[in-house]
Amino acid sequence: QQQVKQSPQSLIVQKGGISIINCAYENTAFDYFPWYQQFPGKGPALLIAIRPDVSEKKEGRFTISFNKSAKQFSLHIMDSQPGDSATYFCAASIGSGNTGKLIFGQGTTLQVKP
Amino acid sequence: GAVVSQHPSWVICKSGTSVKIECRSLDFQATTMFWYRQFPKQSLMLMATSNEGSKATYEQGVEKDKFLINHASLTLSTLTVTSAHPEDSSFYICSATGRVGYTFGSGTRLTVV
Repeated sequence: QQQVKQSPQSLIVQKGGISIINCAYENTAFDYFPWYQQFPGKGPALLIAIRPDVSEKKEGRFTISFNKSAKQFSLHIMDSQPGDSATYFCAASIGSGNTGKLIFGQGTTLQVKP
Repeated sequence: GAVVSQHPSWVICKSGTSVKIECRSLDFQATTMFWYRQFPKQSLMLMATSNEGSKATYEQGVEKDKFLINHASLTLSTLTVTSAHPEDSSFYICSATGRVGYTFGSGTRLTVV
């Protein structure tokens, strides 16, 4: 019940296209859902996060869509660029985003072709 | 913004020796710090949670005597890998939380030879 399932494992998108990564969870006590971007040899960096009282959040080219009833959330990267090529992780936690431990999805390796 | 400094960024040690990794929150007080381990092409696996002044809480399957965690102040936590073996080779990442949410260090690549 503590798992967060992420798909796809890898994704190849043409420059300018839309990248979509999906996550699903079981524990309804989760109340904070961030997405992280990680480059090789670096720590994860927060991209965008959402709480369950909101169905969508947009920041620049990045959008989170959240479906509370389906217990799913997704990351959309609009106008994907080669610089977006990285590994993306969804995560979930309990504790309003600054206290509980983060449970990570399995990760998605994104390659954006020029 | 919140910054977490993690050192060293990489370390090579001989089998049987101990290695200490430091994680510092530079511009905020970290009430809680988390330590993760990441194998190549895999996700981050939480090893332990530490609160300042308290004993760390380890995740199931993590040897507390092998991975010693100290969180002596609100800005510093250390992870010591004791009697390291080649199977301990991995990427270790810390994360600190405070009023600004989670901030991750840049990670430490440990290679045990």
